[in-house]
Amino acid sequence: DTGVSQNPRHKITKRGQNVTFRCDPISEHNRLYWYRQTLGQGPEFLTYFQNEAQLEKSRLLSDRFSAERPKGSFSTLEIQRTEQGDSAMYLCASSLQAGETQYFGPGTRLLVL
Amino acid sequence: GQQVMQIPQYQHVQEGEDFTTYCNSSTTLSNIQWYKQRPGGHPVFLIQLVKSGEVKKQKRLTFQFGEAKKNSSLHITATQTTDVGTYFCAGRGGGSNYKLTFGKGTLLTVNP
Repeated sequence: DTGVSQNPRHKITKRGQNVTFRCDPISEHNRLYWYRQTLGQGPEFLTYFQNEAQLEKSRLLSDRFSAERPKGSFSTLEIQRTEQGDSAMYLCASSLQAGETQYFGPGTRLLVL
Repeated sequence: GQQVMQIPQYQHVQEGEDFTTYCNSSTTLSNIQWYKQRPGGHPVFLIQLVKSGEVKKQKRLTFQFGEAKKNSSLHITATQTTDVGTYFCAGRGGGSNYKLTFGKGTLLTVNP
């Protein structure tokens, strides 16, 4: 399978714990995006990488959230001191160029108890 | 900031009936994408529209981009049970050539 992959697919954690999600984009894609989707809503943009450079962070991304893409390939999204409001599906997408089609991974569904 | 509104929120049809969902942006878009998300799944790319007034067809699906590049529609002819899912439009514009702003989606259910 050469699509976008995300791990883990599901994560249940207690409030206050830290969690980290991983995204592996399509291999030749140098653009990578993180989105968050809550029930009944469309995905909301969180952040964007061009290679290893993080070019934009949404104001939705509080200081408890950090994303990295150290070698311009896979990316990680870490949430520190999780809150119940962080419960959502975290989606990763990649594209070849900035204005081109974004292909989404299967997402990581986070539940904070 | 840029907002994308989508209506209706829900649509239930009998198999064989047609279905349309509409998308409106608060700002002019450079392009618009449509995605389908099955229950429990992730958004799957359907099509991208770029040109003013563009119309594209994929089998029973017809996509339109408005002349002012602020609205779009997706029409499905003779729905089938496999069409069930949430259809999202996602616009690109407002000075960003990469960020997608999604509508809330239209959930389509089809009664066999």
